[in-house]
Order: sequence, then C-alpha cells, then structure tokens
Amino acid sequence: DAGVTQSPTHLIKTRGQQVTLRCSPKSGHDTVSWYQQALGQGPQFIFQYYEEEERQRGNFPDRFSGHQFPNYSSELNVNALLLGDSALYLCASSILQGTNQPQHFGDGTRLSIL
Amino acid sequence: LAKTTQPISMDSYEGQEVNITCSHNNIATNDYITWYQQFPSQGPRFIIQGYKTKVTNEVASLFIPADRKSSTLSLPRVSLSDTAVYYCLVGVMDSSYKLIFGSGTRLLVRP
Repeated sequence: DAGVTQSPTHLIKTRGQQVTLRCSPKSGHDTVSWYQQALGQGPQFIFQYYEEEERQRGNFPDRFSGHQFPNYSSELNVNALLLGDSALYLCASSILQGTNQPQHFGDGTRLSIL
Repeated sequence: LAKTTQPISMDSYEGQEVNITCSHNNIATNDYITWYQQFPSQGPRFIIQGYKTKVTNEVASLFIPADRKSSTLSLPRVSLSDTAVYYCLVGVMDSSYKLIFGSGTRLLVRP
C-alpha cells in the first residue's frame, strides 16, 4: 500500500520563476494538505483541498495556489518565486476532511531558489 | 495570535521515559491533538492522536488534561533511534480555523 508520494524530490529555481509540485495521496485518502517547512522550523500550513476545492488556507499570499484532481492527487503552484520560498514542501493526506483523521505525510520536495 | 509552544530540546538516555509537553491555548473545540516524529530530510511520521484524557498505543501515550490547553507525549524506554524532532499539531480558532504545528522539540537520546 503506497503512502503519500511527492515529486520531484529536489528542485532548483531562480527568483521570479514559477514552480509546480505534485502529490499523490495515500490510497483511500481524499483530502490533501500542503505545508512549507523552512530549515530548522516546524511545518507551516498553506492550504487544504477536498472535493477539488480549497477548503482552508493559512497565512500565505496568492502567489501560492493549488489544485486537486478527480483522482485526489494535488498540485502546489508558486508564482514569482522569492529567495524566502526556499524550503521543504510537504504534502499530507487524510480521510474525510473535518473528521480529525490523522494526516499522513510524504517526504517532501526540497525547493531551492537561487 | 494562536501559538503552539513546545520545549526547544530535551536530552535523555536509553531506557528512560521521556515526556514532551505542548501548550495550545486556542485549540478548536472539536479538534484532536496529533503528535508526529520527524527525522532529517523526511516527512513527519504519525505517532499518536487523542481528544481528551489518555490514549495509548504500541509506541507512546498521550495525556490531555480536561481543559485541553496542553498535551503531553510520553515515550517509554527510549532508544537511540528515537533521536528526532517531535511536533504536536492542533487545529486552532484565530481569526479563522487553522492547522498549526508546534515549534518542535529536538530529542537527543544518549547511550
């Protein structure tokens, strides 16, 4: 039973570029959340998708957007990249948004901005 | 401003019991408290989850007081492989509902 998978594992971009990160949830999960984890800090909640719609959002600018597909997989898009966007981006999946089922995390995409 | 606070670091020795506390004074009424373990370059791994009182599984126990403004993760008889960063995760009501990770506790287990 595959867990949460994310791609790519590493990515290098330059300031001003755009990036798309991808996530496949754990089998049977329908809710996907994205987090940003800067080096040495805890994960910060970006947003959560359920039924192909953004349901909750943290304190991130509109440069961060997402999408969820009918097969529950998800993408995180970041536009106009800044140096401060360098971080580990984590995807987590769970069952039934709002039911307090525990989230399962992937190992993340390490994004470096030059 | 909602905050979720943990001790920055803790040291222990193999075989000892370790207790890590998280303060979450703005926890949402119906939300559970979840604890994760994270190793370098990996995503957080689920340890345990609870709503109130005490929960125990094969690796840890979780103690939650009646006011639910804090929680304590208890790791019995730690080993070297338990060296990691431990996070609590709660949903809080600030200006809106948000999921917030604690600041993380770096646990070092010594031989």
